[in-house]
Amino acid sequence: NAGVTQTPKFQVLKTGQSMTLQCAQDMNHNSMYWYRQDPGMGLRLIYYSASEGTTDKGEVPNGYNVSRLNKREFSLRLESAAPSQTSVYFCASRLASTDTQYFGPGTRLTVL
Amino acid sequence: GENVEQHPSTLSVQEGDSAVIKCTYSDSASNYFPWYKQELGKRPQLIIDIRSNVGEKKDQRIAVTLNKTAKHFSLHITETQPEDSAVYFCAAKYNFNKFYFGSGTKLNVKP
Repeated sequence: NAGVTQTPKFQVLKTGQSMTLQCAQDMNHNSMYWYRQDPGMGLRLIYYSASEGTTDKGEVPNGYNVSRLNKREFSLRLESAAPSQTSVYFCASRLASTDTQYFGPGTRLTVL
Repeated sequence: GENVEQHPSTLSVQEGDSAVIKCTYSDSASNYFPWYKQELGKRPQLIIDIRSNVGEKKDQRIAVTLNKTAKHFSLHITETQPEDSAVYFCAAKYNFNKFYFGSGTKLNVKP
């Protein structure tokens, strides 16, 4: 039981490049989330998926797209990376019955 | 939407003292309030949570209180230890699925 996993752990991009961050959970949770964490600003919700087949915007969705591939996997795509997207990205899944969120280890992304 | 404010941003206490971190939220519809501990370079981990129908919850040295009328909730850590040093985040669940986080409190426990 690996919990929530994310790939890659680190990534450096040039402005304008694209990439996809991958997230998977093996806890059979319905809801999954993508957050970004910037220094001094806590975690901000980018997108979430309440259940397989649905996605919704969070606080800061501009510049991102998501795909809920199946119940296990939820990916985050940057189509044209910008330096303002330099951040640590966390994926989380949630057990609906308790509302507890479980976080992945994070991806540290730098956009030059 | 929801807005969560957290104070203080940094807190330094002597080992054995108590620490209190406070959060306020704006939307009375929020009904679940978790607290997370994040060590440097690690993922946030849930340490305690409270629902809107409960006023206080304790787990050993950690407690959370909620005042729904005033829309604020607080984390209390008693008998602090050096291993309690970390960044603590409060959050509020809004509109069934969305979570809004405070900006974090860096707690330093001095031996």
